[in-house]
Amino acid sequence: ETGVTQTPRHLVMGMTNKKSLKCEQHLGHNAMYWYKQSAKKPLELMFVYSLEERVENNSVPSRFSPECPNSSHLFLHLHTLQPEDSALYLCASSQGLAGSGKFQETQYFGPGTRLLVL
Amino acid sequence: AQKITQTQPGMFVQEKEAVTLDCTYDTSDPSYGLFWYKQPSSGEMIFLIYQGSYDQQNATEGRYSLNFQKARKSANLVISASQLGDSAMYFCAMREAGQNFVFGPGTRLSVLP
Repeated sequence: ETGVTQTPRHLVMGMTNKKSLKCEQHLGHNAMYWYKQSAKKPLELMFVYSLEERVENNSVPSRFSPECPNSSHLFLHLHTLQPEDSALYLCASSQGLAGSGKFQETQYFGPGTRLLVL
Repeated sequence: AQKITQTQPGMFVQEKEAVTLDCTYDTSDPSYGLFWYKQPSSGEMIFLIYQGSYDQQNATEGRYSLNFQKARKSANLVISASQLGDSAMYFCAMREAGQNFVFGPGTRLSVLP
């Protein structure tokens, strides 16, 4: 496996379900990110993790719960979602610590999980 | 205030022609990076090219080049010899020192055969 992988690629869930999105990066990076991409909206940063520590939570509802057990894995636990949460969820990673000041560092993205909440 | 502006929601280009996708940015920080990503219909954001604020020359990567005009705060992406596989959304992004990425709204490019 290379780069950033995400599973599942597609997910359909009811509003009462509990599911988890998984992201794994094979790049040796120290920072990982969750983004939400809704139709006709800019990319929204949800969470930032730096060496397994959450450094940013952009006012995301508590029905989204991130978990970062180590620097290679990132999860997004979902429960009691709403139909407006249907979107493409993208995971990304970058080399340096988030907020380290290294503006040159590129973010690399996974293929995303397309989520549909019924 | 919008930090990244992409004024072209959609663009068409004939196969084998060159196309320029516009991007303007807003920052008062002297240290920043500019990035372009491609997002095909499959969803993955693919990194294309990077330009640093201190770089003297325009960045190039294969058929991609970045027309960096620092005084105008402009970082346009030029794709030469367009191919059908270039049809996708293209996002301009900026990262200031110590900050997270900020993405523009994107431009949808359609390459016509």
